[in-house]
Amino acid sequence: KAGVTQTPRYLIKTRGQQVTLSCSPISGHRSVSWYQQTPGQGLQFLFEYFSETQRNKGNFPGRFSGRQFSNSRSEMNVSTLELGDSALYLCASSLTSGTGELFFGEGSRLTVL
Amino acid sequence: GQNIDQPTEMTATEGAIVQINCTYQTSGFNGLFWYQQHAGEAPTFLSYNVLDGLEEKGRFSSFLSRSKGYSYLLLKELQMKDSASYLCAVRRNRDDKIIFGKGTRLHILP
Repeated sequence: KAGVTQTPRYLIKTRGQQVTLSCSPISGHRSVSWYQQTPGQGLQFLFEYFSETQRNKGNFPGRFSGRQFSNSRSEMNVSTLELGDSALYLCASSLTSGTGELFFGEGSRLTVL
Repeated sequence: GQNIDQPTEMTATEGAIVQINCTYQTSGFNGLFWYQQHAGEAPTFLSYNVLDGLEEKGRFSSFLSRSKGYSYLLLKELQMKDSASYLCAVRRNRDDKIIFGKGTRLHILP
């Protein structure tokens, strides 16, 4: 079956702009988690959605938001981009919430200039 | 990662054995996971320990001691393709959030 699909794979934005990233989970998976990965900080948890509800949220400012649709696809949005938002954004899906066996997408690499 | 410690880098020789340690805050966590991430690729699930002891899966084994807040990943008969980052992660009790360590970059020498 198809894996987790993230779009776009690469994007370049300038400070102050906003960006929307998309994630399609594995068919049948209802939980989607988002992580930010940088060389210095590793994988930092952003949020988790399960059945269209935000179940968990990490310690990121309100500029970072997300949502999940009825088909389990998820989007995350970052507004008023800052240079420090440059990172690889990884989406992971799982059958249900909190299982720990996460299936990651290839990620969306965001560069903010 | 929050309250999760693992070495930043390790080097080992092809054919040898290497142990990657992970320590975490003992209270408030249940379930420990190991992931492998090759450069430029997505992390992939390796193992899951919820009870104390050793779980073996082919060349890879993972050990957990909940009372000590300690785990290790043991890789045997190292191959060049094992060069990757190895991420330790724990599940937090109060909200089931999965928290990752910063990862250990493993270099395999021929």
